[in-house]
Amino acid sequence: AQTVTQSQPEMSVQEAETVTLSCTYDTSESDYYLFWYKQPPSRQMILVIRQEAYKQQNATENRFSVNFQKAAKSFSLKISDSQLGDAAMYFCAYRRGLLDDKIIFGKGTRLHILP
Amino acid sequence: DTGVSQDPRHKITKRGQNVTFRCDPISEHNRLYWYRQTLGQGPEFLTYFQNEAQLEKSRLLSDRFSAERPKGSFSTLEIQRTEQGDSAMYLCASSPQIHTEAFFGQGTRLTVV
Repeated sequence: AQTVTQSQPEMSVQEAETVTLSCTYDTSESDYYLFWYKQPPSRQMILVIRQEAYKQQNATENRFSVNFQKAAKSFSLKISDSQLGDAAMYFCAYRRGLLDDKIIFGKGTRLHILP
Repeated sequence: DTGVSQDPRHKITKRGQNVTFRCDPISEHNRLYWYRQTLGQGPEFLTYFQNEAQLEKSRLLSDRFSAERPKGSFSTLEIQRTEQGDSAMYLCASSPQIHTEAFFGQGTRLTVV
């Protein structure tokens, strides 16, 4: 069974600094998708960034980028120029191709931004 | 389009009572998902629909839980004979046929007393 592991329950970063959140996953599939979702306090979950496993190039979205290491089954999220609004729970998630629609989530990392 | 809508936002019920939650997905999204999230944990998959067909149910979904999506639009999740362990946030999400990410609602927080 596929699993997603986030080994950092909480992290803190100074405003304007860079922080990296770690995620590893376990799968025997070659075709899959990886996501980072953000869940601010008392607000809904929103997609931050996604990565298709067949793409070697790491995905970027403005201040958010990933380091996708397929052989190591590692998918970390880097947040540059951290802002107070980045404070939230961040969930790493996995989805096996397009035919299997179940998205599996890690337990999350709570990110604190220090002013 | 206002996104995925869930009702109610909060529900407090006594143990043993039945509760029903509603989810309205984004228009024309074929796939609809239910997840459960407890404090400090990631969302756990419960079930999902493609149009009106329920395609997969998690082992977490005991026989006290039932979900429907009668016309392929909104969905309901019913919990019968609620237990304290059912206290959680219940999240609904939807996605279009061809996309890979899911769009989430704000959730229904259930408290069983």
